[in-house]
Amino acid sequence: LAKTTQPISMDSYEGQEVNITCSHNNIATNDYITWYQQFPSQGPRFIIQGYKTKVTNEVASLFIPADRKSSTLSLPRVSLSDTAVYYCLVNRDNYGQNFVFGPGTRLSVLP
Amino acid sequence: DGGITQSPKYLFRKEGQNVTLSCEQNLNHDAMYWYRQDPGQGLRLIYYSQIVNDFQKGDIAEGYSVSREKKESFPLTVTSAQKNPTAFYLCASSIEPSYNSPLHFGNGTRLTVT
Repeated sequence: LAKTTQPISMDSYEGQEVNITCSHNNIATNDYITWYQQFPSQGPRFIIQGYKTKVTNEVASLFIPADRKSSTLSLPRVSLSDTAVYYCLVNRDNYGQNFVFGPGTRLSVLP
Repeated sequence: DGGITQSPKYLFRKEGQNVTLSCEQNLNHDAMYWYRQDPGQGLRLIYYSQIVNDFQKGDIAEGYSVSREKKESFPLTVTSAQKNPTAFYLCASSIEPSYNSPLHFGNGTRLTVT
C-alpha cells in the first residue's frame, strides 16, 4: 500500500507563491497523483491531477519529476481565501479500489 | 447546476436511535461514496457503490448501512451499533468507478449524537 507524506502545516503571506510537496515513494505504475482542497465544514474540492512532468490549470500547477516519487502542488500568488487543508492522493486501499485520504497540509495565508 | 446535495447540514440524535443521511447527485455519475471525517483528521471510507444495486464496504463499515436503488441516490444509515457516530459525513461521486477518477463531494452532514 503506497503511502503519502506531506507537511502537516504551512504558513504563507498574501501574494506569495506556495509550494506543497508530497512524497510517495511506492507509487504504482498506474497511479495518478491528485490534489484536493478542503475548507472548514465543506467537502474537499478537486484541484488538479497529473501523471508525469507538469500539469497546469487556472488554479494551480502540479510538478512531477521523472521518478514520480514526489510531486509539488504550486499555488501562485495566494490570497487569504486559499487558507485550507490540501490533500495529496496517490495511495489506494488494500483492495486497490479507492483513495486513502491522509491528514493533509493545513495552509494558513496571512495578510 | 450539477452537483451533490447532502441533507440536512446538521443533525442531532439521541444515543440508540438510527438515523439516515441523504445524498443525491445529478451528475449522472456511476460511482458514489460515503466518507467520515473526525476533527483534524483525513477522510475514512465507509461504503462505496460502483453501480446501482451494488455496494461494497470500505474501511470502517461497521455500524453503518447503505442502499443504492437509484443511480442518483445513496443514503447512509448510522445505526445504534456504531459506537462513535458523532462526526462529519461526506458523500462523493465519480464519473466512473476508477481510482483515478476525480471525486466530487457534497458539503457534508454534521451528525451529533448525545
